[in-house]
Amino acid sequence: DQQVKQNSPSLSVQEGRISILNCDYTNSMFDYFLWYKKYPAEGPTFLISISSIKDKNEDGRFTVFLNKSAKHLSLHIVPSQPGDSAVYFCAAKGGSGGSNYKLTFGKGTLLTVNP
Amino acid sequence: DAGITQSPRYKITETGRQVTLMCHQTWSHSYMFWYRQDLGHGLRLIYYSAAADITDKGEVPDGYVVSRSKTENFPLTLESATRSQTSVYFCASRRTGLDYQPQHFGDGTRLSIL
Repeated sequence: DQQVKQNSPSLSVQEGRISILNCDYTNSMFDYFLWYKKYPAEGPTFLISISSIKDKNEDGRFTVFLNKSAKHLSLHIVPSQPGDSAVYFCAAKGGSGGSNYKLTFGKGTLLTVNP
Repeated sequence: DAGITQSPRYKITETGRQVTLMCHQTWSHSYMFWYRQDLGHGLRLIYYSAAADITDKGEVPDGYVVSRSKTENFPLTLESATRSQTSVYFCASRRTGLDYQPQHFGDGTRLSIL
């Protein structure tokens, strides 16, 4: 059973516009959420995170929103740049069985920003 | 600042062979992790370690063995490789702290089993 879901395998946006990447989760025990960015032939790179006690966290062009009642989070990138083209993974921490420091990842969304 | 390095970057081997993937980090992070990335599955946790000599299974541990005799090294061994273990393998580490600290990843090892 997939506990972290990224239902859009890909997303294409124009340079300068907003990119919105979505993530849904099913485990209400998750208490921390992260977004990672991955370029081809490289490892994932941490981008931004949010604790479950908050509903928004902002870092420059990147903002993560958390809606706990809907078990949904989203990553907004404004303005989008061609260098943002990458695969974005949503990840969640917490859950049962001593999972307090393990991460559960979604399958990723490929973002393409067109010049 | 070398960070976290994986070796080899690419490996081709045959079914039934033993192969070891190396992971080395220079941060003295307590936690280390091994993931595999496959199309349609994202990143799945194989094994993790909270400290030297402390390891535990993740989501997909079958067919893999790990050890952690030193804090900085966390090798992953496929004792008898199978084609289903063809994948890209990522090692990660994170430090402890009052607040949750994110995992930092190596650049991966692309393993092909023929």
